[in-house]
Amino acid sequence: KNEVEQSPQNLTAQEGEFITINCSYSVGISALHWLQQHPGGGIVSLFMLSSGKKKHGRLIATINIQEKHSSLHITASHPRDSAVYICAVFLVDGGSQGNLIFGKGTKLSVKP
Amino acid sequence: DAGITQSPRHKVTETGTPVTLRCHQTENHRYMYWYRQDPGHGLRLIHYSYGVKDTDKGEVSDGYSVSRSKTEDFLLTLESATSSQTSVYFCAINYRQGLNYGYTFGSGTRLTVV
Repeated sequence: KNEVEQSPQNLTAQEGEFITINCSYSVGISALHWLQQHPGGGIVSLFMLSSGKKKHGRLIATINIQEKHSSLHITASHPRDSAVYICAVFLVDGGSQGNLIFGKGTKLSVKP
Repeated sequence: DAGITQSPRHKVTETGTPVTLRCHQTENHRYMYWYRQDPGHGLRLIHYSYGVKDTDKGEVSDGYSVSRSKTEDFLLTLESATSSQTSVYFCAINYRQGLNYGYTFGSGTRLTVV
């Protein structure tokens, strides 16, 4: 069973389009993390949020704790946004290690 | 950047040989983690450490051991490498700064077992 589900798995968009990536989870969490991974690259933290909405440049992340759902939006998408976007949740009862469970990622390709 | 360095960045090794990957941090964080990343799977926890000489197993620990003799270094050892351990390995730290907390990842080690 997958405790963190992302959709879509793959997404192709034209430059300038508005993009939404979804993350649903089935466990109790204390926070949710959106990560970005460029091809062959490391993993970079975009947002961590436990309620409401956060914005950074063209990226917006929202979370609905009651519905156990989060979305990552990219406005005015650009080819440099092409990457894998990963949702990860911090378990409420993860213990002292702050256990993190990852989704399988959404591969985004933005065409010029 | 939280000052996490992984070495080596790439390695090819033969089946049956031992391999050690190193994760080095410069900011005295208590918690350190080793993950592996494989196609079709999310990142999966191998082992983690919550202090010097304090380590515990994660979800996919079979065939791996770890050591943490100093705060700054967390070593992952494949005792006898197998082809199923071909993967990309990421080290991470868990930081807490007041109400802010999160994870920072190293750049990854691509390991190929032939």
